[in-house]
Amino acid sequence: EAQVTQNPRYLITVTGKKLTVTCSQNMNHEYMSWYRQDPGLGLRQIYYSMNVEVTDKGDVPEGYKVSRKEKRNFPLILESPSPNQTSLYFCASSSGTGGTEAFFGQGTRLTVV
Amino acid sequence: AQSVAQPEDQVNVAEGNPLTVKCTYSVSGNPYLFWYVQYPNRGLQFLLKYITGDNLVKGSYGFEAEFNKSQTSFHLKKPSALVSDSALYFCAVRAPSGGYQKVTFGTGTKLQVIP
Repeated sequence: EAQVTQNPRYLITVTGKKLTVTCSQNMNHEYMSWYRQDPGLGLRQIYYSMNVEVTDKGDVPEGYKVSRKEKRNFPLILESPSPNQTSLYFCASSSGTGGTEAFFGQGTRLTVV
Repeated sequence: AQSVAQPEDQVNVAEGNPLTVKCTYSVSGNPYLFWYVQYPNRGLQFLLKYITGDNLVKGSYGFEAEFNKSQTSFHLKKPSALVSDSALYFCAVRAPSGGYQKVTFGTGTKLQVIP
């Protein structure tokens, strides 16, 4: 089954404690992205990757890091989480740009206290 | 810069009635337009897209959308709403240029279908 898998689904952490949210896709997609979803703001892109070792900032990259060492994996790293990073996070992948639609993971609800 | 507006935070419709969820966009050139649906505790699922050609696009679960270039709109429609259609709907736009072009999402519209 084609899917994007995120882990964990739920996470409560404390300010400053480094964490990683994993994302894996089994569709051999080149393009992967991370979004955060906040009420009234919709989805905002954090980082994206066009291929292995090729990443770039989205609209709200501050406080986040990513890496793309393998085509299937695109982890999101919060090196020093803060309460304003409490949000619902989604990973997405697609086979190309233009008119290709994205496949989304089920989301990670992160709470930073 | 490209943008998407979903002017209604929530749309309420009675089961069996037609529904419309509105979306307008701003982008340079001819856009690629998408609708996604999000059910509670789930990720976004693709519903339909407009790339080129017929302005009326049909998608999953009986949904359709009409591309109107003059009004820069891409409203989502369904002739007869089901309670199971209740969800959060996102419109998205991408510019048609070469290379990587990011997708911009609207703020979402919550659809409530009342039995």
